[in-house]
Amino acid sequence: SQKIEQNSEALNIQEGKTATLTCNYTNYSPAYLQWYRQDPGRGPVFLLLIRENEKEKRKERLKVTFDTTLKQSLFHITASQPADSATYLCAHQGQTGANNLFFGTGTRLTVIP
Amino acid sequence: GAVVSQHPSRVICKSGTSVKIECRSLDFQATTMFWYRQFPKQSLMLMATSNEGSKATYEQGVEKDKFLINHASLTLSTLTVTSAHPEDSSFYICSARGRGSNNSPLHFGNGTRLTVT
Repeated sequence: SQKIEQNSEALNIQEGKTATLTCNYTNYSPAYLQWYRQDPGRGPVFLLLIRENEKEKRKERLKVTFDTTLKQSLFHITASQPADSATYLCAHQGQTGANNLFFGTGTRLTVIP
Repeated sequence: GAVVSQHPSRVICKSGTSVKIECRSLDFQATTMFWYRQFPKQSLMLMATSNEGSKATYEQGVEKDKFLINHASLTLSTLTVTSAHPEDSSFYICSARGRGSNNSPLHFGNGTRLTVT
């Protein structure tokens, strides 16, 4: 079965630096990947979606890449701020054409002032 | 736009009782709703997918007789945890998707913290 893994359970970085989070998947290549942010005790909030035919997607200080050869997506936050501290989750659909969404294990990011 | 409201945010119940959690899409029609469960420091585990007017599709290992899902309208889905036990204590989160493609983002409620004593 498909597994989706995020390499670090936790990541601490200094304010102003770029945070890079990794999402790896096994088996089949999803048609797209989504990234969400989750704050403690809250539901996830959608950030970005990237399709398999897109190499890179940007939104303000966020950048996502998708490498189907490496079976990996990278999520970057540039000029990080303490307010960026949260858990970041990657997600993909279950199978081609399926309408459900499965989540990775998440990476808890802490930006230190 | 695309607000999902989930109630209650917290509930404490005694073992053996049933608890109902509501999930409402406030400003859009949710053709599909999803129920997730999250244990501390773990990711979201999909429990079931429900389409309006039809029976929910449960993920492997999720007891459909224990976790009753009703999606009676395009704006409301409910999850009832029947005969709750302490091991059912968890964070339950619903999400909804409106009309459109299957890869459109999900909109999540803020979750329900269930504690069974």
